[in-house]
Amino acid sequence: DAGITQSPRHKVTETGTPVTLRCHQTENHRYMYWYRQDPGHGLRLIHYSYGVKDTDKGEVSDGYSVSRSKTEDFLLTLESATSSQTSVYFCAISDGTSGRTLSTDTQYFGPGTRLTVL
Amino acid sequence: QQQVKQSPQSLIVQKGGISIINCAYENTAFDYFPWYQQFPGKGPALLIAIRPDVSEKKEGRFTISFNKSAKQFSLHIMDSQPGDSATYFCAGHFGNEKLTFGTGTRLTIIP
Repeated sequence: DAGITQSPRHKVTETGTPVTLRCHQTENHRYMYWYRQDPGHGLRLIHYSYGVKDTDKGEVSDGYSVSRSKTEDFLLTLESATSSQTSVYFCAISDGTSGRTLSTDTQYFGPGTRLTVL
Repeated sequence: QQQVKQSPQSLIVQKGGISIINCAYENTAFDYFPWYQQFPGKGPALLIAIRPDVSEKKEGRFTISFNKSAKQFSLHIMDSQPGDSATYFCAGHFGNEKLTFGTGTRLTIIP
């Protein structure tokens, strides 16, 4: 998984509790992403980061926040988890020098975190 | 909304046959079209990718056919094998480093 780890790998929590998911990379890639995967929806971008402390929203960012204080770590926080946030969450990284080569445009995905909100 | 529409949602192909998955896009600003393969319990992994200045790219049994004027592209898997059974996602890439994914196709290869 291209030097990407996600923790925890599985989590069950209750509605209203805060949850933080962690993505750690050893590739020193500039870009990091958080996606959620749900049946019938494919992969949808939640937030992404284009550098330390530089983040932006994706298409499904409501209810989520992110932080990136170091190149290697990207945190996704659900401030108050809801049942609609039950999903599989994937972190991805890319070198992000668009157009230079295909490899630099490629996003590499972590193993995922399965989150269940009861 | 820059969408990528993928079909079919699921596909069953006999071993040795050709699997074909289709995608259509709206945004002509996409500059790169990757296909990802995902096995159960794993993250998606890049399978093959193409830029819009070529009409076809082949890597082993996997071929992308690209029709720029129709804004469509497809993945062909020749001599499909049971090990190809997975979920496949097409995507379009923006210059701002974001991917828009299709909704996925679950491919099952039967003996």
